Amino acid sequence: LAKTTQPISMDSYEGQEVNITCSHNNIATNDYITWYQQFPSQGPRFIIQGYKTKVTNEVASLFIPADRKSSTLSLPRVSLSDTAVYYCLGLGSARQLTFGSGTQLTVLP
Amino acid sequence: DAGVIQSPRHEVTEMGQEVTLRCKPISGHNSLFWYRQTMMRGLELLIYFNNNVPIDDSGMPEDRFSAKMPNASFSTLKIQPSEPRDSAVYFCASSDPGTSAYNEQFFGPGTRLTVL
Repeated sequence: LAKTTQPISMDSYEGQEVNITCSHNNIATNDYITWYQQFPSQGPRFIIQGYKTKVTNEVASLFIPADRKSSTLSLPRVSLSDTAVYYCLGLGSARQLTFGSGTQLTVLP
Repeated sequence: DAGVIQSPRHEVTEMGQEVTLRCKPISGHNSLFWYRQTMMRGLELLIYFNNNVPIDDSGMPEDRFSAKMPNASFSTLKIQPSEPRDSAVYFCASSDPGTSAYNEQFFGPGTRLTVL
């Protein structure tokens, strides 16, 4: 399973685009890159996952360069309710989620 | 669907007592996971089941912890005897490889356990 590194915390203002970058230098060929979001007093929630290039859904976009050693989660026009911890995970066929420390995103008014 | 259901939501007990946490996965999901979250250690996978069979329990911290899944709609995590260091939030999650994204798990609201 790929070890991931991401910033401990980030601040942003409402309406801005937020990009959280995660490095996963030892990602394996069969690893997917997956992002989860966790609000206080709740369980984590799946946001998005990808293998390469770009993936977009109604919540976020995920950019993965060709070497797959990093990925960037992009949240368009954040609001106060996007304040949460965001986890980057690199996962293979075992489907066992290993969460790191995550990035605490704080959206300010 | 109501999502993953966990009970109780909060549990306060004294050291040495037995604690049983309960989980009802989303109907139709065939994989179930138990996690523990603390400030010091973050979110850790304890055990997971596939089709009611325990697949990997390497995350279970000690023999004091045991988990069962007697049927597809119910699982328990038991701690006997409990210790103060077991205080944490325990999450249950379920997934269905047939319909979910590859690494998509659905988490319950958690049980906050406090052992005095």
